[in-house]
Amino acid sequence: QQQVKQSPQSLIVQKGGISIINCAYENTAFDYFPWYQQFPGKGPALLIAIRPDVSEKKEGRFTISFNKSAKQFSLHIMDSQPGDSATYFCAANFGNEKLTFGTGTRLTIIP
Amino acid sequence: DTAVSQTPKYLVTQMGNDKSIKCEQNLGHDTMYWYKQDSKKFLKIMFSYNNKELIINETVPNRFSPKSPDKAHLNLHINSLELGDSAVYFCASSQEIGVVEKLFFGSGTQLSVL
Repeated sequence: QQQVKQSPQSLIVQKGGISIINCAYENTAFDYFPWYQQFPGKGPALLIAIRPDVSEKKEGRFTISFNKSAKQFSLHIMDSQPGDSATYFCAANFGNEKLTFGTGTRLTIIP
Repeated sequence: DTAVSQTPKYLVTQMGNDKSIKCEQNLGHDTMYWYKQDSKKFLKIMFSYNNKELIINETVPNRFSPKSPDKAHLNLHINSLELGDSAVYFCASSQEIGVVEKLFFGSGTQLSVL
C-alpha cells in the first residue's frame, strides 16, 4: 500500500530558527517528492520538489534533504519567519500514479 | 486573475439535500481533480479527469458524481448529503495526465452538513 508518513503533526519554532519536517515512505518505486504549503482558507501550493537522483535541493530558505536508503525526506526552513506559518504536506508518486500526500504538519513561527 | 476557481466558497446545508460545487481553470491544463480535506487536514484524491474523461475514481460513494462539460471545467454534484460529507473540497489541475509535477489547487469549498 502506498503510504507517506509525516511528522510532527504540529511544530512551533521561534522566529529565526530552523523548522524541520520529516517524511518517510514505503514504496521504493516513488520517484518524485514534492512539498506543498497551505495557508488558512487557501488551497495547497507547490513549494519545492526533489527527485531521488540528488540528495538535496535548495530554493531560498527552503531545502529538501533526501535519504534514499532510509526512504526518508525532510523539509528544512532556515531563518523561519512568521509568514512561514502554514500547514505543510509532503507527497510522493511515480510514473502516472496519483500523488500520495502525507498527513500534514501545522507550523507556527512565534516572534 | 485566479488560475483555479471554485464556487461556492462556503456551503451549509441539511442532511439529505443535493448540492453542487463548480470548478473552472484558465491554465489550459488537460487534467483536473477533486480532493477532499477532512477536519484533520488529510488530503485525499476523489476523482481525476483528463480532457473530460474520468481517469481516477477513488472508491468514492456513488452519491458523488463529477461532471466535466469541457476540459476547463469539472463540477462535483453530491446527492443525499450525509454528516460525514462535511469537509473542504478542493479542485485542482495539472498540465497533463501523469505529469503531476505541479498541481494547482483552488481555494476550496467548505461544506458543512447539518
